[in-house]
Amino acid sequence: GAVVSQHPSRVICKSGTSVKIECRSLDFQATTMFWYRQFPKQSLMLMATSNEGSKATYEQGVEKDKFLINHASLTLSTLTVTSAHPEDSSFYICSAYRQREAFFGQGTRLTVV
Amino acid sequence: DAKTTQPPSMDCAEGRAANLPCNHSTISGNEYVYWYRQIHSQGPQYIIHGLKNNETNEMASLIITEDRKSSTLILPHATLRDTAVYYCIVRVAGPGGGADGLTFGKGTHLIIQP
Repeated sequence: GAVVSQHPSRVICKSGTSVKIECRSLDFQATTMFWYRQFPKQSLMLMATSNEGSKATYEQGVEKDKFLINHASLTLSTLTVTSAHPEDSSFYICSAYRQREAFFGQGTRLTVV
Repeated sequence: DAKTTQPPSMDCAEGRAANLPCNHSTISGNEYVYWYRQIHSQGPQYIIHGLKNNETNEMASLIITEDRKSSTLILPHATLRDTAVYYCIVRVAGPGGGADGLTFGKGTHLIIQP
């Protein structure tokens, strides 16, 4: 069964609004989680590393004020896309390590209209 | 940039073995070879990993060359559900490893033909 769960799996929002995506580790604690973005016909690109109890670290070119990450507990990280625009439409995927193995959520398809 | 090179696409007949190659000529001594696959509109799924010995599990076999510069993932009896993008990734594992995000290349789009 799944060890990392993402919610929602699909969301449509209006341009200018904010969207929150949740990533949960099931039956294990994850002090670190990772957020990826995948555009159509492209590979996954790491956006940021979410650290429990401290600030997230962002990859070059990723706006930290636009993609807010909160990792308030050992089993939950959230990614909030603020003031979403159509170019933010993408497939967002989270990941966590359990026993040094990477497990991925099922992904969230965000469509901004 | 990804440290691996894979063919962009491959076809395989259903029921036959699918052999997916990966070149990782700059692999370091402490880096493992990992394989993941991504079925359309889903998150990646772990398949198998190895350091230098060949590995087999219920999903696949991994053959790593003696010089570790390349490897082959083998799906012994491919089914239509194996159609996916397969990613070969090299990374450090074990103590001190597994704390970084993964670098995905373009992968191989494997299409299983009925």
